[in-house]
This record gives sequence, C-alpha cells and structure tokens, in this order.
Amino acid sequence: EAQVTQNPRYLITVTGKKLTVTCSQNMNHEYMSWYRQDPGLGLRQIYYSMNVEVTDKGDVPEGYKVSRKEKRNFPLILESPSPNQTSLYFCASSLRGGGYTGELFFGEGSRLTVL
Amino acid sequence: GENVEQHPSTLSVQEGDSAVIKCTYSDSASNYFPWYKQELGKRPQLIIDIRSNVGEKKDQRIAVTLNKTAKHFSLHITETQPEDSAVYFCAAWSGANNLFFGTGTRLTVIP
Repeated sequence: EAQVTQNPRYLITVTGKKLTVTCSQNMNHEYMSWYRQDPGLGLRQIYYSMNVEVTDKGDVPEGYKVSRKEKRNFPLILESPSPNQTSLYFCASSLRGGGYTGELFFGEGSRLTVL
Repeated sequence: GENVEQHPSTLSVQEGDSAVIKCTYSDSASNYFPWYKQELGKRPQLIIDIRSNVGEKKDQRIAVTLNKTAKHFSLHITETQPEDSAVYFCAAWSGANNLFFGTGTRLTVIP
C-alpha cells in the first residue's frame, strides 16, 4: 500500500530534550516536505527536499533541522524543543516538485506537545 | 515568495445549498492549484486540482475555476451534504517549485 508513515503519532516532551520525528514513504517520491499546522494559521512549510541531499528552508524553519540521506526518509529534528513548537506536524511527499504530478500525499500527522 | 490568501475562514450553509471558497495568489509563475479537504482528526487529502492552462474543472459536485489574469481561483461545492463538513485548503505551486497553502476554510453543512 502506497503511504507516508510518520512516527511518533503523539509525543509529550520537555523543553530542551532533543527529538526526531521520522517520515518514510514507499512511493519512490523525489519531493518531500514538512508542515506544521496551528489553529488559524493553516499549513506552514518548515523544510522541503527536492531529492536526496537537496533540502531547503520553508516559511518557518527556525528551531528545526532535516536531512535527506535516502530517498524514502526525511526526518525532522528538533534539537532543543521549546513550547512554541507545540503543534501538529505533517510530512508529505510527491513524485516530483513543481506540481508536475499533482498530488501531495500526507502522513497521518504527529501531535507534539512541548512542556 | 508566493502568498496565498483564502476566504472566508468559516462558512456555514444549509444542506443542499452551494458553497464557494475563494483564494488569491501572488506569484504569476504559479502553475498548479490543488484543493485539499481535511476532516476532523485526519490528514489533508486532495479533492480536486487545476493547472494554469485550464479555466475550469469539474468532478461531480465539486468544481474549481481559475482566473490567471486576476490571480484567483475558487472552489465550488454544489448540493452540499453533511459529509462535506471539513476544513478546506487551497494551495499554489509557485515558480520556485514549492507548494504554499492558504489558511483554510472551515465548512459546516447544517442538516
């Protein structure tokens, strides 16, 4: 089954404790992206990747890191989480960037709470 | 970069009526405009899309229109049903090869 898998789905952590949210897709997609969703603000892009070893900042990259060492994986790293990073996070992938192939597939989301 | 604005932020309609959600974008190089539906507690899912060389597209009760000159596009849902209740996001693939979302419209269909 074609899918984007995120883990963990739910996480409560404390300020400053490094964490990683994993994202994996099994569709051989080149484009992957991370979004955070907050009430009234919609989906804001954190980082995106056009292909392996190619990453770039989105609208709200501060406090986050990413890597794209393999095509299927695109982990989101919070080196020192703070309460303002409490949010619902979505990973997504598409065959290519630029809208050539249409659909962006989303993972199920990871709800992160930073105390 | 691209800026996508979406209106209204909330919309309530009676079952059977039509609903219209409007978006504007800023980057004239944007070439692809998808719409996503997000039900409560679920992930966003694509419901319809339109490319910049097309003015209108329909899929059963859902249609999208695009006015490139004015840089706006709209989602039209006819004969609304309670299961249409959700948050709807418009988006635009910019000339910088990236996807920008509007802030969402919460649609409530009243039975």
